Amino acid sequence: EIVLTQSPGTLSLSPGERATLSCRASQNVRIYLAWYQQKPGQAPRLLIYDASNRAAGVPARFSGSGSGTDFTLTISSLEPEDSAVYYCQQRLTWPPLTFGGGTKVEIK
Amino acid sequence: DVQVVESGGGLVQPGGSLRLSCAASGFTCSNYAMTWVRQAPGKRLEWVSTISGSADTAYYADSVKGRFTIYRDSSKNTLFAEMSSLRAEDTAVYYCAKSLTPNNLDLHFDLWGQGTLVTVSS
Repeated sequence: EIVLTQSPGTLSLSPGERATLSCRASQNVRIYLAWYQQKPGQAPRLLIYDASNRAAGVPARFSGSGSGTDFTLTISSLEPEDSAVYYCQQRLTWPPLTFGGGTKVEIK
Repeated sequence: DVQVVESGGGLVQPGGSLRLSCAASGFTCSNYAMTWVRQAPGKRLEWVSTISGSADTAYYADSVKGRFTIYRDSSKNTLFAEMSSLRAEDTAVYYCAKSLTPNNLDLHFDLWGQGTLVTVSS
């Protein structure tokens, strides 16, 4: 099973600041990693797929990078509505499909 | 509108059974791999089961293998999860999710339902 470790656990930043979220895989997942945003009481929303492709309708301030075992989700300029938990997910090796433990982004 | 809507959750006693439904609209769910993902309160997302788009091959997490069955009724454009021998650790919100691209098993999910809560408790 591929374990995904996300850091930091919580990120507290002000509007307009840059957020950098990390996801590290226990094995090489090549580029097959996605990022999701989940707000309280809501379903996850796909932001980035295959490491760096923005999903339809996702604002350009969200970008993804990385390959192999180290991946980054960057929010270039935080908006108040970006307050959420962000999860990474790999699809290279399954079952089981695996998700990271999440990073909570708080807007000050 | 393209959407999936889950239903069928509720309170069930340990050892009981439940059937979840996921009604799809705006697309043909048999053309896509469809997946159940669950989330226990305050926990991370957990993959439960996937059914492929073409051959209807089913895949299960070890934690539910032998107890859950995923299947699809194409005439109703609906996905199901038949859950039996339920345990307290199955308590979670269950989400139905659609794969991004059709006719393959590239499991990134671009459409999620609002979820249905399953509570296993006596």
